[in-house]
Amino acid sequence: DAGVIQSPRHEVTEMGQEVTLRCKPISGHDYLFWYRQTMMRGLELLIYFNNNVPIDDSGMPEDRFSAKMPNASFSTLKIQPSEPRDSAVYFCASSSQTNTGDETQYFGPGTRLLVL
Amino acid sequence: GNSVTQMEGPVTLSEEAFLTINCTYTATGYPSLFWYVQYPGEGLQLLLKATKADDKGSNKGFEATYRKETTSFHLEKGSVQVSDSAVYFCARMDSSYKLIFGSGTRLLVRP
Repeated sequence: DAGVIQSPRHEVTEMGQEVTLRCKPISGHDYLFWYRQTMMRGLELLIYFNNNVPIDDSGMPEDRFSAKMPNASFSTLKIQPSEPRDSAVYFCASSSQTNTGDETQYFGPGTRLLVL
Repeated sequence: GNSVTQMEGPVTLSEEAFLTINCTYTATGYPSLFWYVQYPGEGLQLLLKATKADDKGSNKGFEATYRKETTSFHLEKGSVQVSDSAVYFCARMDSSYKLIFGSGTRLLVRP
C-alpha cells in the first residue's frame, strides 16, 4: 500500500496567492483528516470528512481556508488569499474506522508551506 | 477540559539509557490512547496504542500501559538507540474519532 499521498511536499508562495494542497487517502479508508503543525500551536485538527462529507470544520482558522473531498480518493485544502501566518506543515491522515473498527489514523508526509 | 499533557523536552539521553516520557490525559470515560513518532522531515507514524484500561501497547521495544487510576499512558523503552531520536506525541481519541494530541516531546539520543 502506498500510504497517504500528499502533494506538493514543499510550497513557497507570496502573500495573497492562492494555495492548494492535495491528499490521496489510503484506499478503502472512510475518514480523512487535515491537520496543521506549527511550533507555536503544535498539531491542530482543521477539518475531517467521513465518506466524503465534512463532519467537523471547527478547526478551520477562517474563511480563507476551505476543504473539499469530491470523491473517496481525493481531497484538497485551499487557502485564498494566503498570509505569512499560514506558514506551517499541513498533514493529511486517513482511517478506516467504520469498516474495520481500527481507530488508527495514518498520516501522509506533509506539505511544508512557506508564505512570504 | 479534555486534553493531553506530556512532559516538555528536549530529553537528551546517551545510547542504551532508559527512557520515560510522561503523558497524562483528561477525558470523559476511557478513550483509546496512542503514541505517535515523528522523525525529522516526515509525517507522524503510529508507534503503539491501547484501547482499554490496563492494556499495554508495545512496538520496537517501546511500551506504554493504559492506567485509568492515574489517567496516564507513559512511554518507556529499556535501551534507547541513536535511531530513536525523534519527536514523540501522546494522543487520545475523542467520541467523534478526532485525535487530541499532546505538545510533543523531542528525544535526542547521543552515541
